[in-house]
Amino acid sequence: QQPVQSPQAVILREGEDAVINCSSSKALYSVHWYRQKHGEAPVFLMILLKGGEQKGHEKISASFNEKKQQSSLYLTASQLSYSGTYFCGTESKTSGSRLTFGEGTQLTVNP
Amino acid sequence: KAGVTQTPRYLIKTRGQQVTLSCSPISGHRSVSWYQQTPGQGLQFLFEYFSETQRNKGNFPGRFSGRQFSNSRSEMNVSTLELGDSALYLCASRLTSGRFDEQFFGPGTRLTVL
Repeated sequence: QQPVQSPQAVILREGEDAVINCSSSKALYSVHWYRQKHGEAPVFLMILLKGGEQKGHEKISASFNEKKQQSSLYLTASQLSYSGTYFCGTESKTSGSRLTFGEGTQLTVNP
Repeated sequence: KAGVTQTPRYLIKTRGQQVTLSCSPISGHRSVSWYQQTPGQGLQFLFEYFSETQRNKGNFPGRFSGRQFSNSRSEMNVSTLELGDSALYLCASRLTSGRFDEQFFGPGTRLTVL
């Protein structure tokens, strides 16, 4: 079962903040975040592991609530380059190393 | 370091034909995963190979198969193509299968089945 992302779409003005959420009904080992621009491949943003470890880009921040099996991606002081579709991919105990992706959140940043 | 490469980038086939897609991972990466991306279904996991062995498989019919060579390059084959197989096929490489290893995606192969 794929994780649920919210919101499905969000429109911002440059400089505004946004939060994208990813929820799973399964016990997760890790959450991976990617951004995909139209016609391009998904680009890695961040990994969050059960237990608190995380790895990713300096300008991106995220959290992982193990009790709720929920992760949030925080985009602050948004720039035009942040526009794209954000996907979360989850790994659970039963999934092995495969990633199950959410349907994506479309983010548009306008001048 | 060169990124993940996929060939061909675009492909047009007709129903009933078969197709082979190729993926070369980042040098040193031993894990290759394949995904199908469509507007309606999003990113769907097909399979993962690590050191020439299939480690994980998604919920796709047996018409979808893959393999990995000793140099970590991977191929994906789809036989008896159906219209619904039209999609962007993405390959992603990982250093290992470890949970702390990020996946790097290639540019994809856009397959159109007529």
